[in-house]
Amino acid sequence: EVQLQQSGAELVKPGASVKLSCTASAFNIKDTYIHWVKQRSEQGLEWIGRIDPANGSTKYDPKFQGKATITADTSSNTAYLQLISLTSEDTAVYYCVVGLSAYWGQGTLVTVSA
Amino acid sequence: DILLTQSPAILSVSPGERVSFSCRASQNIGTSIHWYQQRTNASPRLLIKYASESISGIPSRFSGSGSGTDFTLSINSVESEDIADYYCQQSNSWPRTFGGGTKLEIK
Repeated sequence: EVQLQQSGAELVKPGASVKLSCTASAFNIKDTYIHWVKQRSEQGLEWIGRIDPANGSTKYDPKFQGKATITADTSSNTAYLQLISLTSEDTAVYYCVVGLSAYWGQGTLVTVSA
Repeated sequence: DILLTQSPAILSVSPGERVSFSCRASQNIGTSIHWYQQRTNASPRLLIKYASESISGIPSRFSGSGSGTDFTLSINSVESEDIADYYCQQSNSWPRTFGGGTKLEIK
């Protein structure tokens, strides 16, 4: 069964960093693009960026440049989202998704709190 | 950036009615618009891609139309399970952007 399994919820302190993972099953991420999407509580969806795991090329929303870094490890079939210098504005659920597909991860809740 | 404006913010309909969601783009994006449904506490799911292309496994009561700057998602006969937020997203240019969403309520 095609699945994207995301890492568990994170509670992090302001100023810290966090790295979220998204592991694919039943397909090879090299054959797709993996996108990351942010959703704050009771808010809409924000596109962060995407990676082409075949060559590592990335695209970001300028709003997230300097905040987010997307990487992929094809040997483990996993994509990653690293967020740095966390503030309360980064408290949100983060989703990975195969571009234009039915395949979304279940989301990872990141809570930034002292 | 391409701004997507969804209206109205909330739609309230009775079961069995037809409902339409609007998404307007700030510039011509051809048919590079995609629609998502997000039920409470669930991940979004793709309903329609490229304005009108159907997605495997999505009920046939969902359909999409439009091109250029004006797009519509329609539900032919609303069911209670359709209670959700609906978002449009464009893939015409970077960065990809989402509309602000429309909440569907059932009377």
